[in-house]
Amino acid sequence: EPEVTQTPSHQVTQMGQEVILRCVPISNHLYFYWYRQILGQKVEFLVSFYNNEISEKSEIFDDQFSVERPDGSNFTLKIRSTKLEDSAMYFCASSVSGSYNSPLHFGNGTRLTVT
Amino acid sequence: AQSVTQLDSQVPVFEEAPVELRCNYSSSVSVYLFWYVQYPNQGLQLLLKYLSGSTLVKGINGFEAEFNKSQTSFHLRKPSVHISDTAEYFCAVTDILTGGGNKLTFGTGTQLKVEL
Repeated sequence: EPEVTQTPSHQVTQMGQEVILRCVPISNHLYFYWYRQILGQKVEFLVSFYNNEISEKSEIFDDQFSVERPDGSNFTLKIRSTKLEDSAMYFCASSVSGSYNSPLHFGNGTRLTVT
Repeated sequence: AQSVTQLDSQVPVFEEAPVELRCNYSSSVSVYLFWYVQYPNQGLQLLLKYLSGSTLVKGINGFEAEFNKSQTSFHLRKPSVHISDTAEYFCAVTDILTGGGNKLTFGTGTQLKVEL
């Protein structure tokens, strides 16, 4: 069964550094998402992306964050200047459509540790 | 804003025993409800969802959940668990009127540990 793949599985970075988290969504999916989970807290919506633009974003997704689909297969999340509080598990997801009937398929996550 | 409460952070249970994982949500409007499971070192996988119709929904791996609008609950149940059900379970909700498509609000998760 096709999967959403995320790389790397674990990323350690120093505060203030830029980091790029990579995702390869399922090939026929059109909607892409990033969620994150700070340790011990809820999984939180960050952003959704469709047709090469952001369709919705949360208040967490400030100017330090950006998303891009640089080619036909990758979907990336960039954090420009990481802070300690950005340490979390970041999940990429994709779906065929944006409908509630179209389930999200999640990747295994990237654990980001900011030191 | 929408919120989801999963009161039990951990639920230990013996194999073949029944289990119920609790989920309550806050909303005064119509919602869609979901349960996701995360096995160790894997991503989140959809177990089941309630969109409309029968309040008892059946999902994969023998799980079911019941939507109770008056109690704003969506508890997950399984009559007889297996060791392979050990995982983290997340309840999620989206507000039909204000939630866009797949913008989900998740609970903090319940770790189900099945013991022999």
